[in-house]
Amino acid sequence: DIQMTQSPFTLSASVGDRVTITCRASQSASSWLAWYQQKPGKAPKLLIYKASSLESGVPSRFSGSGSGTEFTLTISSLQPDDSATYYCQHYNGFSRTFGQGTKVEIK
Amino acid sequence: ELQLLESGGGLVQPGGSLRLSCAASGFTFSTYAMSWVRQAPGKGLEWVSIISGSGDNTYNADSVKGRFTISRDNSKNTLSLQVNSLRAEDTALYYCAKAQNTYNWDYGEAFDVWGQGTMVTVSS
Repeated sequence: DIQMTQSPFTLSASVGDRVTITCRASQSASSWLAWYQQKPGKAPKLLIYKASSLESGVPSRFSGSGSGTEFTLTISSLQPDDSATYYCQHYNGFSRTFGQGTKVEIK
Repeated sequence: ELQLLESGGGLVQPGGSLRLSCAASGFTFSTYAMSWVRQAPGKGLEWVSIISGSGDNTYNADSVKGRFTISRDNSKNTLSLQVNSLRAEDTALYYCAKAQNTYNWDYGEAFDVWGQGTMVTVSS
């Protein structure tokens, strides 16, 4: 099974900052990579699928890039509402693997 | 509105069993693969089990193989997870999730709709 490793584990940034989270796969994940946002006490929410496709209704400040073994989620201008934990997930056939999560805090 | 509503969680002793359910509405249930994802208190997301839209194909994570069984009733728009031989490490909030179906894969793609979860606590 492919293992997904996110970095950093936590990050603290100011409103308006550009924020980048990285997700690395133990072997090629092609472009089958999704990003989710989870706020405390809430279910995860799909942000990005197929590495770079923005889910309907998600603000355009979120973007995804990458392929193969390295992927990034970028928030172009951090907003207070973006305080959450972000997870990457590889999907292919029956395989579904999440990264360990990155907690984003607002300074 | 697309909606998933889980039920069936509770407190159970080690070695016990539960049957979790997920009622779906707002979409053609049989068209989409469905999955269970769990989250232990204060921990990350862990994928548990997945089933194709027809129900013919299923797959479990290694951590629950032989103990958990996923099933669906497309006539009732209901997804189920039978959890047996429960262990303390199975304590978690269990979410059901709907997979996208852009490419007509058996198991779908990313999870675009999630329920609010049902809590399973395994303790004596």
